Amino acid sequence: AQSVTQPDIHITVSEGASLELRCNYSYGATPYLFWYVQSPGQGLQLLLKYFSGDTLVQGIKGFEAEFKRSQSSFNLRKPSVHWSDAAEYFCAVGILRDDKIIFGKGTRLHILP
Amino acid sequence: DGGITQSPKYLFRKEGQNVTLSCEQNLNHDAMYWYRQDPGQGLRLIYYSQIVNDFQKGDIAEGYSVSREKKESFPLTVTSAQKNPTAFYLCASSGSGRVLGQYFGPGTRLTVT
Repeated sequence: AQSVTQPDIHITVSEGASLELRCNYSYGATPYLFWYVQSPGQGLQLLLKYFSGDTLVQGIKGFEAEFKRSQSSFNLRKPSVHWSDAAEYFCAVGILRDDKIIFGKGTRLHILP
Repeated sequence: DGGITQSPKYLFRKEGQNVTLSCEQNLNHDAMYWYRQDPGQGLRLIYYSQIVNDFQKGDIAEGYSVSREKKESFPLTVTSAQKNPTAFYLCASSGSGRVLGQYFGPGTRLTVT
């Protein structure tokens, strides 16, 4: 069965430090991959997506993610976080033939001043 | 501006009452979706509609009902049969299938006491 795992429920980093949020998926074929961000009490905003091609994907707000097929991973990175990056981040896998999206349970990012 | 609106932002109801959550979009999207979000659970699909006057159950449809009489509108009714209705509800829409692009509304927080 298809699934998405975000191993870290909470992550705390200092402002200005680098960030990596982990995402692993289980799916037999090459999936469509997404990262969304959600500020408290708000809807989800798409940060970036991977469909095919270059495995390093650039997104909005200075985020990037790298698709690694051998590790079934799609980790999100940012070289220097800002206090405004504090939010919850969701990784998602899209199954095109079923028009289905499976969301991970999210990672809440806390920023220390 | 194009987008998705959900109203109200906060909703309070007594147990045993039905309640309807509004979702409107002016993106001219064919498909609309309702998700439920609980802490630590990610997003779970309740219902979706790919065209006017047609809709399908998602993963957790029990205790919910929807209608799609207009392309722009996809209201969700939380019935008294829903055993644990307190949650954050998100509406989304897409023009070409969820996997290729999905836009989210700001959400409605429903509290039932």
